[in-house]
Amino acid sequence: GAVVSQHPSWVICKSGTSVKIECRSLDFQATTMFWYRQFPKQSLMLMATSNEGSKATYEQGVEKDKFLINHASLTLSTLTVTSAHPEDSSFYICSAGQGEQPQHFGDGTRLSIL
Amino acid sequence: GENVEQHPSTLSVQEGDSAVIKCTYSDSASNYFPWYKQELGKRPQLIIDIRSNVGEKKDQRIAVTLNKTAKHFSLHITETQPEDSAVYFCAAQDDKIIFGKGTRLHILP
Repeated sequence: GAVVSQHPSWVICKSGTSVKIECRSLDFQATTMFWYRQFPKQSLMLMATSNEGSKATYEQGVEKDKFLINHASLTLSTLTVTSAHPEDSSFYICSAGQGEQPQHFGDGTRLSIL
Repeated sequence: GENVEQHPSTLSVQEGDSAVIKCTYSDSASNYFPWYKQELGKRPQLIIDIRSNVGEKKDQRIAVTLNKTAKHFSLHITETQPEDSAVYFCAAQDDKIIFGKGTRLHILP
């Protein structure tokens, strides 16, 4: 079945550091991928839609200059949290799917900013 | 945009009994309604889904119903087992997936 790989699974870094998270579709091509953020005991909040070859579409309230998304190929989208601060600490997770097929989620990245 | 409401936020049922989780959505353009189970620190796992041209779908102990007119859909788990304890999310999708706030299901021994 379709597999989505997300890397790294866990990051701890100092405040002010930029962190890049990768999301790969391993056995299918994904023209669209989605990035979510999940705070403890809360739901998955859609941050942005990553579109291959074009700019990402950000949800209201999500700073595009803070969360840089690049979808340079049909199998890879990256989310870069720029100048991360403690309030950016969260569980970040991506998803991808083919056409009308169900979305498959990556394993998520737990980001901790000290 | 789409808004998905999910109830209850917490549900405790005796092992062997049934559990029902209900969701409503606002955007009539949504045409796909997946349900996910998420265990602590792990990715959401798709457990069942339904499309807008279907009213009900069943997979062993899990069933989902959809009322398009009322914009309601529900998850039913029968003969609950301890391993059913988790957080369950409903979602509605048109061009993107919007999740409900989740239901923490506790199966009591």
